[in-house]
Amino acid sequence: AQSVTQPDIHITVSEGASLELRCNYSYGATPYLFWYVQSPGQGLQLLLKYFSGDTLVQGIKGFEAEFKRSQSSFNLRKPSVHWSDAAEYFCAVGARAGTASKLTFGTGTRLQVTL
Amino acid sequence: NAGVMQNPRHLVRRRGQEARLRCSPMKGHSHVYWYRQLPEEGLKFMVYLQKENIIDESGMPKERFSAEFPKEGPSILRIQQVVRGDSAAYFCASSPNGVSYNEQFFGPGTRLTVL
Repeated sequence: AQSVTQPDIHITVSEGASLELRCNYSYGATPYLFWYVQSPGQGLQLLLKYFSGDTLVQGIKGFEAEFKRSQSSFNLRKPSVHWSDAAEYFCAVGARAGTASKLTFGTGTRLQVTL
Repeated sequence: NAGVMQNPRHLVRRRGQEARLRCSPMKGHSHVYWYRQLPEEGLKFMVYLQKENIIDESGMPKERFSAEFPKEGPSILRIQQVVRGDSAAYFCASSPNGVSYNEQFFGPGTRLTVL
């Protein structure tokens, strides 16, 4: 069964500092990987996804993520954080085969941005 | 193009009552997913439906919970005889098809509180 681990429950960074949110997955083959962001009281918005090709993926709002097969990781990065980036971030893995289209989410990392 | 719509946004029920959560997918989307988010946790898959068919209900509790996606109208998640442990945010997502690499578009969620 697939699983996702986000080891950092809560991260605080200063505005303008760089950011890296960690995500490790467990899956029998190369998975589809996603990062979503959730603002308080809101639904989830897709930041970026990986399913094949270039292992460095660019997303919206200046985010990027790198798929590293050897480390089973898909860490999210942003070179300079803005106060509006404060939110909860979820990494998710999607199954590749058959009708198993469900996403398996990590427990999330809450990002706080200090001014 | 309207996004995924869910109503109500907030629902309060007393123990033993029924809760009905509605989800209208994006226009042109025929695949609907329901996820549950317990406080301080990530989203957990509940059920995946196409029009008039349940494709995967492996995440649904065996009792009291049911879901449908009729030929006409929204998808409905029904919880009978609610208990305090059912208090959570319930998110609906839709996609144009069931392929795993396609983005699932999430609604704003229904926050259920059981008194």
